[in-house]
Amino acid sequence: EADIYQTPRYLVIGTGKKITLECSQTMGHDKMYWYQQDPGMELHLIHYSYGVNSTEKGDLSSESTVSRIRTEHFPLTLESARPSHTSQYLCASSELNSPTGELFFGEGSRLTVL
Amino acid sequence: GEDVEQSLFLSVREGDSSVINCTYTDSSSTYLYWYKQEPGAGLQLLTYIFSNMDMKQDQRLTVLLNKKDKHLSLRIADTQTGDSAIYFCAEMSYQKVTFGIGTKLQVIP
Repeated sequence: EADIYQTPRYLVIGTGKKITLECSQTMGHDKMYWYQQDPGMELHLIHYSYGVNSTEKGDLSSESTVSRIRTEHFPLTLESARPSHTSQYLCASSELNSPTGELFFGEGSRLTVL
Repeated sequence: GEDVEQSLFLSVREGDSSVINCTYTDSSSTYLYWYKQEPGAGLQLLTYIFSNMDMKQDQRLTVLLNKKDKHLSLRIADTQTGDSAIYFCAEMSYQKVTFGIGTKLQVIP
């Protein structure tokens, strides 16, 4: 069973608020990712990290930012939330040189911006 | 860029076999995967196949890979109501994983 945790699981906030979605993993994985999952199910990579102090933008442009100060922690922040940010956000991790490339996912944070 | 396509929806009766199909475009794919997402949860790796294999069987699951046609399928034998979920096809190339849109499997009791 994967040891990757996301909080909060559900969040409903008003427009303009600052929010941080937390993601932590206890597997010692160097690579971590944030995916945005649309209501129609498709997954879009928005951020990833190869390790401490490494952050990269993914395939889908996002107004969110991430940080990687500790190996186990990869929080995502929205400075001013808007209704267009309403989505499910999935965090994942993997070993840096995994032979199979398996991704381990958290249970997701469902964000609703009113 | 890389593209992974799969049908959106599949409905089967309990006890029947389910076959979920996927096509991909990247000829340099090294691994291909099937992930399962249950309602309200994240994705979980169900099975994977290395690109130089053409079949992999794991209990009720059979993965078939046609590398020439870039076609991947997942067969679930004796489908149960607990198999109802969204199934994502994915491929890895140069350490980058690309997901399909997901196929929602509905199992009718």
